[in-house]
Amino acid sequence: DQQVKQNSPSLSVQEGRISILNCDYTNSMFDYFLWYKKYPAEGPTFLISISSIKDKNEDGRFTVFLNKSAKHLSLHIVPSQPGDSAVYFCAASGRAETSGSRLTFGEGTQLTVNP
Amino acid sequence: ETGVTQSPTHLIKTRGQQVTLRCSSQSGHNTVSWYQQALGQGPQFIFQYYREEENGRGNFPPRFSGLQFPNYSSELNVNALELDDSALYLCASSLVVLTSGLYNEQFFGPGTRLTVL
Repeated sequence: DQQVKQNSPSLSVQEGRISILNCDYTNSMFDYFLWYKKYPAEGPTFLISISSIKDKNEDGRFTVFLNKSAKHLSLHIVPSQPGDSAVYFCAASGRAETSGSRLTFGEGTQLTVNP
Repeated sequence: ETGVTQSPTHLIKTRGQQVTLRCSSQSGHNTVSWYQQALGQGPQFIFQYYREEENGRGNFPPRFSGLQFPNYSSELNVNALELDDSALYLCASSLVVLTSGLYNEQFFGPGTRLTVL
C-alpha cells in the first residue's frame, strides 16, 4: 500500500526554467509534508516542508504547495539550475505525539537540469 | 553538515549471515530512525528509537532489530540475511518532543550499502 506516490520517475528541464515535481498521498492522518533531495552516495538532505494547516511555503527558489482536498503537493523550483539535478523525495509524517518523526517516502523523481 | 555518520560504508554478506550496522546521531538528538532503501525506491521505515526504547516499527520482520545507546549511537541488526535485504540502509536522527505536537526535522547519514550474495 503506497501511501505517498510520485508518479513521475524522471523530469528533465532547461536551466533557468521552472521545475515542478508532484506528489500524491492517501493517508488523511498525515500532518506534515517534506521534500528531500538526494545525491548519489549521500543521504537525503532536507529541502523544504509544509504543515497541513498551510497551503504554501516558500524558501528562496523553492516553493511547496499543498492541496489537502486533493491530497496533492508539489515542489516548484524557479529558476532551475544544473546543481539542482538530483533525486527528489516527497515524504509525509503524522503528528509528532503519535508517530514521532517517522517518515513515509514516495519513490522519488530524478530531476535533470540541462545547461 | 548534519553530523550523522554511519559505518561501514559498504558491506557484503552471504545469505543466512547476521549483520550489524552502526550510526552515530547528531549530538543532543533523542530519536533515531532506520530506513531501508531498495534500488529505485524511496526509503522505507524500519523502526524508530526514542530515548533508547523502540517507538514505532514499520512492516519489517523481527529479524530486524535495533538498539539506541545513551551516547547517541545506535545499531541495526539483521539476522538470517536474505537476498532481498540487499539495499542502502539509512539512519536519521532528530530531536523529538512528543508532547509538543510539532514535527522536527530528521538529519540523515550517508547510508550503508549492504549486498547479500
